[in-house]
Amino acid sequence: GENVEQHPSTLSVQEGDSAVIKCTYSDSASNYFPWYKQELGKGPQLIIDIRSNVGEKKDQRIAVTLNKTAKHFSLHITETQPEDSAVYFCAATPSYSSASKIIFGSGTRLSIRP
Amino acid sequence: GAVVSQHPSWVICKSGTSVKIECRSLDFQATTMFWYRQFPKQSLMLMATSNEGSKATYEQGVEKDKFLINHASLTLSTLTVTSAHPEDSSFYICSAPPDLTGASGSDVDEQFFGPGTRLTVL
Repeated sequence: GENVEQHPSTLSVQEGDSAVIKCTYSDSASNYFPWYKQELGKGPQLIIDIRSNVGEKKDQRIAVTLNKTAKHFSLHITETQPEDSAVYFCAATPSYSSASKIIFGSGTRLSIRP
Repeated sequence: GAVVSQHPSWVICKSGTSVKIECRSLDFQATTMFWYRQFPKQSLMLMATSNEGSKATYEQGVEKDKFLINHASLTLSTLTVTSAHPEDSSFYICSAPPDLTGASGSDVDEQFFGPGTRLTVL
């Protein structure tokens, strides 16, 4: 089955700087990679996703890159703001079908220093 | 976007009692729903896949007789924690992918997560 590893587990950056979170996956059949933001006591919210036929995707301050050959994908947040502080999870799913299981990484606790 | 609700948002119960948690898709239909468990400072671990009209599929290591799942309709799945013990205390989260791509304004293939239910067993 799929295994998703995520690094770092904690990340502290100065407000305005960039943050990068990296993930690797094991199942070459995985082709959909969502990223979630979870605030304390709440469910995860999708912030960006990428499919295996795309190498990079950007949405304002957030970007995701995918290296399918190396089975690596990364989240980049630029111009970080205090409201970016949260736990971020990468994930992988082996199918375009939304009815497939989502396998989560271990999470990264991002703190933005004022 | 599509909304998934959970009820209750938190519950405290005595050891040995059973607790039912509801997961509802408010504005879309979902034949399949997923139940996750999240311990403090840990990731979401998939417990089971709930299927409307058929039995749930449990992940390895999850006791099906302890965590009863009923997918009663295309908008409702329930998780019952039977004979709860303190080690069952956790944050339980459901997710529901819409049956129809683009339903309720959803992007293709997005799964929507509920707000979670905090279970504390004394």
